[in-house]
Amino acid sequence: EAQVTQNPRYLITVTGKKLTVTCSQNMNHEYMSWYRQDPGLGLRQIYYSMNVEVTDKGDVPEGYKVSRKEKRNFPLILESPSPNQTSLYFCASSPGGSVRGELFFGEGSRLTVL
Amino acid sequence: DQQVKQNSPSLSVQEGRISILNCDYTNSMFDYFLWYKKYPAEGPTFLISISSIKDKNEDGRFTVFLNKSAKHLSLHIVPSQPGDSAVYFCAAPNQAGTALIFGKGTTLSVSS
Repeated sequence: EAQVTQNPRYLITVTGKKLTVTCSQNMNHEYMSWYRQDPGLGLRQIYYSMNVEVTDKGDVPEGYKVSRKEKRNFPLILESPSPNQTSLYFCASSPGGSVRGELFFGEGSRLTVL
Repeated sequence: DQQVKQNSPSLSVQEGRISILNCDYTNSMFDYFLWYKKYPAEGPTFLISISSIKDKNEDGRFTVFLNKSAKHLSLHIVPSQPGDSAVYFCAAPNQAGTALIFGKGTTLSVSS
């Protein structure tokens, strides 16, 4: 089944404790991206990757890192999480090297930072 | 500056009636628009799209209308069903093709 898989789905952590949210897609998509969803703010892009080894900042990159060492995986790293990073995170992928059509989303990772 | 706006946070409709969800945009360079549907505890899923060269696109019960002069699009669901209850997001690709720009979403509740 074609899908984007994120882990963990739910996580409660404390301020400053490094964490990684993994994302993997099995559709051989070039493009991958991370979004966060917050009440009243909709979905905002954190980082994106047009292809392997090419990543760039989105609209809200502060406090996050990413890497794209292989096509299928695009982990989101929070080096020192803070409470304002409490959010619902979505990984997404798209077949082309850019977003001109449909984005396929994972099921989301709900992160709480205490 | 919000480029894609969904000004109605919520909409309640009775089963069988029409649901109309609205979206406005400010960037006249947008040439493609998408609607996504999101259920609780799931990721957004693609619903329907429209290119700026068209003014209407239909897929079953779902129709999207585009009014370029007004920078406005709408999603019509006819007839509405309880299973349509979800959050609906309007989105457009940015010019660089690096991101979808989303509206804040409209929560649709369809009562039986």
